[in-house]
Amino acid sequence: GQNIDQPTEMTATEGAIVQINCTYQTSGFNGLFWYQQHAGEAPTFLSYNVLDGLEEKGRFSSFLSRSKGYSYLLLKELQMKDSASYLCAVLDSNYQLIWGAGTKLIIKP
Amino acid sequence: ETGVTQTPRHLVMGMTNKKSLKCEQHLGHNAMYWYKQSAKKPLELMFVYNFKEQTENNSVPSRFSPECPNSSHLFLHLHTLQPEDSALYLCASSPGLAEYNEQFFGPGTRLTVL
Repeated sequence: GQNIDQPTEMTATEGAIVQINCTYQTSGFNGLFWYQQHAGEAPTFLSYNVLDGLEEKGRFSSFLSRSKGYSYLLLKELQMKDSASYLCAVLDSNYQLIWGAGTKLIIKP
Repeated sequence: ETGVTQTPRHLVMGMTNKKSLKCEQHLGHNAMYWYKQSAKKPLELMFVYNFKEQTENNSVPSRFSPECPNSSHLFLHLHTLQPEDSALYLCASSPGLAEYNEQFFGPGTRLTVL
């Protein structure tokens, strides 16, 4: 079966750095996405990785290791508005998105 | 503003009611999706349309009936629902079903079945 694993919940402090991990087992791989979803709102695109390595976009970075079936999302200089759920999703061999259950990130002052 | 709108935002219905959810995208995309999002569970893909043609139906019960009259509009018709169908229903669109498949989501309809 296909499976995406990510922690259910994480807590971090404003101004700090947090890393949200995602491991996956899918039938094929055509890229990995990270989305952010604030409570009661639509998921919004954060990043896309298809090759190994680190992609940096401002305070957010995403890393991929295809051989390990592993990705992480790194958030720096945390702000209160970063409190949200972070969804990891993998595009499988049929170009269908397989979603993780999301990681709820709580930022404390 | 993501370019994908959904109505209504909230819906409460009894098990014998019939209602419809509407989704509209203003992005010129060709693919549209219905997802179910339940608390602490992964997004469940329900239906996929590409150029108005249904390409996926992930074993969804027949009490959910999709309709895609054109590439900009997508409906989900609901009838004889069960309490376990209560969830957030998200619509999304993407340029197509190609390699880079960034999906743009609407705000969702929060459905409660009594």
